[in-house]
Amino acid sequence: ETGVTQTPRHLVMGMTNKKSLKCEQHLGHNAMYWYKQSAKKPLELMFVYNFKEQTENNSVPSRFSPECPNSSHLFLHLHTLQPEDSALYLCASSQDLRTGDEKLFFGSGTQLSVL
Amino acid sequence: GESVGLHLPTLSVQEGDNSIINCAYSNSASDYFIWYKQESGKGPQFIIDIRSNMDKRQGQRVTVLLNKTVKHLSLQIAATQPGDSAVYFCAENINPTGRRALTFGSGTRLQVQP
Repeated sequence: ETGVTQTPRHLVMGMTNKKSLKCEQHLGHNAMYWYKQSAKKPLELMFVYNFKEQTENNSVPSRFSPECPNSSHLFLHLHTLQPEDSALYLCASSQDLRTGDEKLFFGSGTQLSVL
Repeated sequence: GESVGLHLPTLSVQEGDNSIINCAYSNSASDYFIWYKQESGKGPQFIIDIRSNMDKRQGQRVTVLLNKTVKHLSLQIAATQPGDSAVYFCAENINPTGRRALTFGSGTRLQVQP
């Protein structure tokens, strides 16, 4: 148990579907992140939230839409994805971007396949 | 076209030997570094970290060495065990007060032979 829980663990979707990935952290952290891990590239930062406010969008296409309703929950809404979006999507949390404690705690990820 | 996966360098060691995994970083302004281990089907797990005001830090069976002159980071694992088999990533952060999150390297696969 890492303290960061992601659901679902696996997801298969068509290019016209709409789905959402969910992340919940039980560590009392205030910063949450989405990373993408594909077979072709290293871990890529997608979005960062600190105290529910988005602080970074790493030029992510608009077909990925994050939502952070509170410091414990993070969603990634998906629509009209492409096959090249198939990857492992990892959620992470850290204490607080302002304190300099950058240690990330990761969930197990959602393995996404776009058909 | 044909898809090509990311080619990870692989380090193969015998059980009981010491392992050294290397990482080069690019930004001389980076002041925080961290090593993660990722086993198959799991997310990355924290191993050890080090700040730029140090050149060595030790944990349980692991040591991280930082050489700022050549921008090089290494992870040493003592008495490597089969459970150490995984992909190891180094990551860097530029500034503790900046909003930039960790930037990860491409990883090294460690295979431990029994």
